[in-house]
Amino acid sequence: DVVMTQTPVSLSVSLGGQVSISCRSSQSLVHNNGNTYLSWYLQKPGQSPQLLIYKVSNRFSGISDRFSGSGSGTDFTLKISRVEPDDLGVYYCGQGTQYPLTFGSGTKLEIK
Amino acid sequence: EVKLLESGGGLVQPGGSLRLSCAASGFTFTDFYMSWIRQPPGKAPEWLGVIRNKANGYTTEYNPSVKGRFTISRDNTQNILYLQMNTLRAEDTAIYYCARWRTGSWYFDFWGPGTMVTVSS
Repeated sequence: DVVMTQTPVSLSVSLGGQVSISCRSSQSLVHNNGNTYLSWYLQKPGQSPQLLIYKVSNRFSGISDRFSGSGSGTDFTLKISRVEPDDLGVYYCGQGTQYPLTFGSGTKLEIK
Repeated sequence: EVKLLESGGGLVQPGGSLRLSCAASGFTFTDFYMSWIRQPPGKAPEWLGVIRNKANGYTTEYNPSVKGRFTISRDNTQNILYLQMNTLRAEDTAIYYCARWRTGSWYFDFWGPGTMVTVSS
């Protein structure tokens, strides 16, 4: 199985600030077709996860451009700029390159 | 509007069985792969399995952690996804979500609110 390792486990940021979350996979996420199927999800308190980013850097419909994804191979980063109160929750990376599909252990974002 | 709504959760004794349902609406159900994902309290999501779309013969893939105990199926006339869970253990206690799996770009674009399953005597 592909193990997804996220760091940090938690972080605290002031409103308007910027944060980065790292996600590393135990194997390359480059599919045989050349695409990289790495996604980012946000789980707000009491809700189900919601998609933010897919295929490393593509924002899902309706997602603010304050969210950006980057990376390649086994190293990926989610950046959130101009943090707002509604951004708090747990962020998960997930891979869709090979079965079984796997998720990272999560990064909890708190607002100072 | 895409909607997914799980039901069927509850308290079950160890060794027991349970069938979860997920009612889908707002999209052409047969066009999409559908998955079950669970999340133990305070932990990360765990993918359980997927059932492919009509074009791919409604075949299935499972996480080895549940293969042989859990079965995913779908009723394409009523737009319902099912998860049959057998020989349940305490470690199966979790919120169970159904999610739509987007082919081509391989991500979960819509999730239901989840249904809680508690395995305890």
